Amino acid sequence: AQKVTQAQTEISVVEKEDVTLDCVYETRDTTYYLFWYKQPPSGELVFLIRRNSFDEQNEISGRYSWNFQKSTSSFNFTITASQVVDSAVYFCALRERNFGNEKLTFGTGTRLTIIP
Amino acid sequence: DSGVTQTPKHLITATGQRVTLRCSPRSGDLSVYWYQQSLDQGLQFLIQYYNGEERAKGNILERFSAQQFPDLHSELNLSSLELGDSALYFCASTRTSGREVNEQFFGPGTRLTVL
Repeated sequence: AQKVTQAQTEISVVEKEDVTLDCVYETRDTTYYLFWYKQPPSGELVFLIRRNSFDEQNEISGRYSWNFQKSTSSFNFTITASQVVDSAVYFCALRERNFGNEKLTFGTGTRLTIIP
Repeated sequence: DSGVTQTPKHLITATGQRVTLRCSPRSGDLSVYWYQQSLDQGLQFLIQYYNGEERAKGNILERFSAQQFPDLHSELNLSSLELGDSALYFCASTRTSGREVNEQFFGPGTRLTVL
């Protein structure tokens, strides 16, 4: 069965600090897909990134970067020079290649608070 | 704005009642997914429809049912409501299903409160 663990329940940092959110996953599939979503205080779920298991290249998008390490089953998310608008709950999610069941399995989320 | 719309935004009802949540996917998206977010269970997959047909089921209670209509909008029906059904219900959509994997775009959610 697939599982996603976000061990950090809550993190608080001062504005402009860098912060890394951890995500560890479990799956028996050799092909799978990983996602990060952001849930701001308004409540909606905002898609941030998708990563395929066969593409281990790290990705950077502005202040956001993602580190995919297949060897440790981790897909960590780093925010550089954090801003107050980054305050939200961040979810890591996993989708296996089972085409009959395309659900996302979410971690429990990490609540990030950026202190001005 | 993800392009996925959900109505109503808030719903307050009493135990034992029945409610219907509505979702309109992004234009052109054929797959619709329903998720429940509660404090004790987190974000849980309920059910998926693809082009009108049920594709996958998750932790959906027998009191809950869903359908997807020919115009691709979907409804989630919750009956015999209990206090524990209070949660945020999300709808998500993707363009395809099967071998092509796309990210799911989520609607704003319907917050259900059962009193």
